[in-house]
Amino acid sequence: GIQVEQSPPDLILQEGANSTLRCNFSDSVNNLQWFHQNPWGQLINLFYIPSGTKQNGRLSATTVATERYSLLYISSSQTTDSGVYFCAVNFGNEKLTFGTGTRLTIIP
Amino acid sequence: EAGVVQSPRYKIIEKKQPVAFWCNPISGHNTLYWYLQNLGQGPELLIRYENEEAVDDSQLPKDRFSAERLKGVDSTLKIQPAELGDSAVYLCASSPRLGGGAAEQFFGPGTRLTVL
Repeated sequence: GIQVEQSPPDLILQEGANSTLRCNFSDSVNNLQWFHQNPWGQLINLFYIPSGTKQNGRLSATTVATERYSLLYISSSQTTDSGVYFCAVNFGNEKLTFGTGTRLTIIP
Repeated sequence: EAGVVQSPRYKIIEKKQPVAFWCNPISGHNTLYWYLQNLGQGPELLIRYENEEAVDDSQLPKDRFSAERLKGVDSTLKIQPAELGDSAVYLCASSPRLGGGAAEQFFGPGTRLTVL
């Protein structure tokens, strides 16, 4: 069936470190979004990236649709980056299918 | 520009009681979604509206859940009667055009429901 898998499930880093989060998906996509869910539960849009590469400050993302994966890069981590990062994919069925998330903890 | 607005933010009720959640989407967004997020999991779609029409309600438990989007703007999601297993976060999202599958979705802060 349709699947969205994220890795790693948990990541603990020192402030200032860099990280790479991965999202694998099982079929071709119409839409792929990366979200950060902060400790208060708000889903914050990071990237809308069905293909290609985008950058926004310390964050960047790359989606290789033909190989069915996307990567989220976080550089120079800050404590405010802590939270759960979700990849969500639309497979043409008009809804977002979310991955299981990566829980990121940044230690001061 | 204001984001998606939801109320209440928190709700605690006893089982078998009714409860309702309200959502106001981003201005001009035709498509509105209700998602359910259980603890430790990603959100899952309950229902999708295109203007005032519910075009995908296949995941909505219709025996106790209902939703409406009168006039194609605000939406209300209702549970009657609530069960213990309904404790979760209910998220509303909107996107800017019809057939919103490929459009970017924006989420509200959610309503955290606790059923005792």
